Order: sequence, then C-alpha cells, then structure tokens
Amino acid sequence: DADVTQTPRNRITKTGKRIMLECSQTKGHDRMYWYRQDPGLGLRLIYYSFDVKDINKGEISDGYSVSRQAQAKFSLSLESAIPNQTALYFCATSEGGNYGYTFGSGTRLTVV
Amino acid sequence: DAKTTQPNSMESNEEEPVHLPCNHSTISGTDYIHWYRQLPSQGPEYVIHGLTSNVNNRMASLAIAEDRKSSTLILHRATLRDAAVYYCILRGFSNSGGSNYKLTFGKGTLLTVNP
Repeated sequence: DADVTQTPRNRITKTGKRIMLECSQTKGHDRMYWYRQDPGLGLRLIYYSFDVKDINKGEISDGYSVSRQAQAKFSLSLESAIPNQTALYFCATSEGGNYGYTFGSGTRLTVV
Repeated sequence: DAKTTQPNSMESNEEEPVHLPCNHSTISGTDYIHWYRQLPSQGPEYVIHGLTSNVNNRMASLAIAEDRKSSTLILHRATLRDAAVYYCILRGFSNSGGSNYKLTFGKGTLLTVNP
C-alpha cells in the first residue's frame, strides 16, 4: 500500500457541487498539506496542518476548506466547485525538521 | 522566499551522467537546498537535500558551490525511468529548530532521456 493515499484518483463534477478529496497516510507524520498543480505551473499550497488541532491557510485557500479528522487523515473540500478549480491536487506529509515530503499520487479534478 | 533558476529543459542519453544546474544567488545562510522530481502522472518525489557539503544518496548526488549560490544535481547513470521534471527548492531552517513548512515549487527542468 502507498504511504500517502488519495481518493478519488479522478473526478468530474459539475459547477456548484460540493466535493471532498480525501487523503490518508501511514507514515505517522504529524504534518499534512494540500497542494494544487495547474498545467505548466509549479505546485501551490492550499492548506496545511501541523497536528490534529492545527489548520492553516496556504497561498490559495479561497474556495477551499479542510478537515483533519485524525493524525492520518486530511480532507480537502470544495464547497461550491467552479471550473477554474479544475486541476491536479496533491496531498503530502512530512515530519518536523528538515526532512523531505512524501506526496500522494494526486487527484485529477475536472469541474464542468 | 529566495528564488531558484533552472533551465526549462535538458536532454540526456541513457546510461550517461546528467548534471542538472540550479542557481540561487539570493540564498540565505539557513536555507537548505532540496531537490524533488515529478514523473509523469505522479506526485513529486523527494530526491536529496543539503546545506553546504556535497551529499550522496542512492538516487543522486548534490554538489553545492562553495559560495552556495548554485548547486548541481547529478544522476550518475541516467535511465529511462529518470525522465521527469526536476525541481530545485530552497527551504529555510530557523535557529530555534523549526523548519520552513512551505515548499515553493517553480517550473523545474524537464529532463528527457533518450534510449
């Protein structure tokens, strides 16, 4: 099993619908992140969480919300999806300190 | 955030060494140099990181210039599976022991490996 699992892998949804992307990890890391990637661009940080009681906005949090249900689970919600939220979404985890991140395989979301 | 500059693309032949350059002229004393790569249809993968000294691991080597304003990721024998976008990222580390949580990804270098 993958260290960081994202579900679903692909999703097509309609404008205005609420959608949740889920992420679970078996690394035992406290820190979890949600990133978005658009074609030709680097990854941009949406939200991050350093532990279950800690949630922080990243650089592009508008239109998104998150929930940290447990140390191992971090969900990203689009309350009312819009077409410009069509992108590839990645969840990641890390330990504290200067260790590398572990990324999931991504969720490809299309909003029509 | 201190920025990095990488070539948009590079090409290599299989089984030959590859040197991927990165310029970071505004690097601060507490910035670590991290490298990630992203294979097609996958999430980014950590490759290596270093501060001042050259570093080696099973995936690659990292050569850091003495003034730290540039670095080079070295793949000793490229394989077709190394074809990916390679990102050079600066990540700060505070003296109090906390790390900069944020990885700021640029556009990276697209490495093509020819058979």
